[in-house]
Amino acid sequence: NAGVTQTPKFRILKIGQSMTLQCTQDMNHNYMYWYRQDPGMGLKLIYYSVGAGITDKGEVPNGYNVSRSTTEDFPLRLELAAPSQTSVYFCASSEGLLVSYQPQHFGDGTRLSIL
Amino acid sequence: AQTVTQSQPEMSVQEAETVTLSCTYDTSESDYYLFWYKQPPSRQMILVIRQEAYKQQNATENRFSVNFQKAAKSFSLKISDSQLGDAAMYFCAYRSALAGGTSYGKLTFGQGTILTVHP
Repeated sequence: NAGVTQTPKFRILKIGQSMTLQCTQDMNHNYMYWYRQDPGMGLKLIYYSVGAGITDKGEVPNGYNVSRSTTEDFPLRLELAAPSQTSVYFCASSEGLLVSYQPQHFGDGTRLSIL
Repeated sequence: AQTVTQSQPEMSVQEAETVTLSCTYDTSESDYYLFWYKQPPSRQMILVIRQEAYKQQNATENRFSVNFQKAAKSFSLKISDSQLGDAAMYFCAYRSALAGGTSYGKLTFGQGTILTVHP
């Protein structure tokens, strides 16, 4: 059981380039999240999704886009990379709000540097 | 909006000793969940322990226990018999128990505490 899988693990981008961070989960979770973690800081929510076809903004959505065409996949798109987007990105999934206190399951993160 | 504050950027402990990491939070909600996550150098986010706000009893998981003070909005983590493998960044996190609204199960994290364990 793979859990939450993120690719790539590391990436260096030039300013203005675009890329997609991939996230897939095999637990049939409805809820998925993208967080970013800046150096020495906690994680902040970028976007979230409560099911296929439904996404919404979190705390820091500017410069990012997401889509959710299937339950399993929740890619994060950077259109015009900026140095401020240098960070570690985490994807997470959760079974749902109605199931007690289900924790979020995290991927191993993608370290992204914009130069 | 909820906020989570960890006022100790760094803590250290001797192997086999006990250490307590502090966390305070601010919320107007009465029902919520609190978590401690461990992040070793590998970057994995590992759930250590969780607490439901409606439960007065403090959660315990082996060597890890919490001191949950709801009125004071305090949620500290105690690590007993510290081991070298406990060295990591520790995050306190808050999750609303409300279904829907603006929370949708998101986690609000503190800034983290780096724990060093000395042999």
